[in-house]
Amino acid sequence: KQEVTQIPAALSVPEGENLVLNCSFTDSAIYNLQWFRQDPGKGLTPLLLIQSSQREQTSGRLNASLDKSSGRSTLYIAASQPGDSATYLCAVKGRDNYGQNFVFGPGTRLSVLP
Amino acid sequence: EAGVAQSPRYKIIEKRQSVAFWCNPISGHATLYWYQQILGQGPKLLIQFQNNGVVDDSQLPKDRFSAERLKGVDSTLKIQPAKLEDSAVYLCASSPGPRDYEQYFGPGTRLTVT
Repeated sequence: KQEVTQIPAALSVPEGENLVLNCSFTDSAIYNLQWFRQDPGKGLTPLLLIQSSQREQTSGRLNASLDKSSGRSTLYIAASQPGDSATYLCAVKGRDNYGQNFVFGPGTRLSVLP
Repeated sequence: EAGVAQSPRYKIIEKRQSVAFWCNPISGHATLYWYQQILGQGPKLLIQFQNNGVVDDSQLPKDRFSAERLKGVDSTLKIQPAKLEDSAVYLCASSPGPRDYEQYFGPGTRLTVT
């Protein structure tokens, strides 16, 4: 059974810092991994999608990497801004019996202080 | 392009009552998901539809939860009877296909069972 963990659970940084969020998964047989942000009281906004054959994806100040063999992904946020404050979740799509299961981590709650 | 629509946004019921949630996915998206997100946790997949067929309902508590997607478009998730532990946000998501695509989430329905 796939299990996804995220470290740290919460993070508070001053504006302008570069930061790294970590995601670990137990079963490396995945189709892809996706990072989302969730603002309070709202749904999930997709950030980056990494297919199993890829090593990283970049969008603006965000860079996500994937190391399937070690069961890890990192989300790098450059020059953080107060508007980046949110909960960041990673999710992996596994190759189980159905081939469709999508398992989320518990999230990292980020606060960027002005 | 309109996003995933959900209603109602909030619902408060007493235990043992029934409740239904509605989801309208992005036009043309064949795959529809329902997730349950308990406070402080990542979303947990309840059921996945491909068009109007169920692909994965392994984590749906079938003694009290039911879902349907008639005509392969809108979907309804029902809980009957509700328990206190069903208090959560219920998220609907859709994607063009089941495997290699991003999921797009609606704003969710926050259910409180008293």
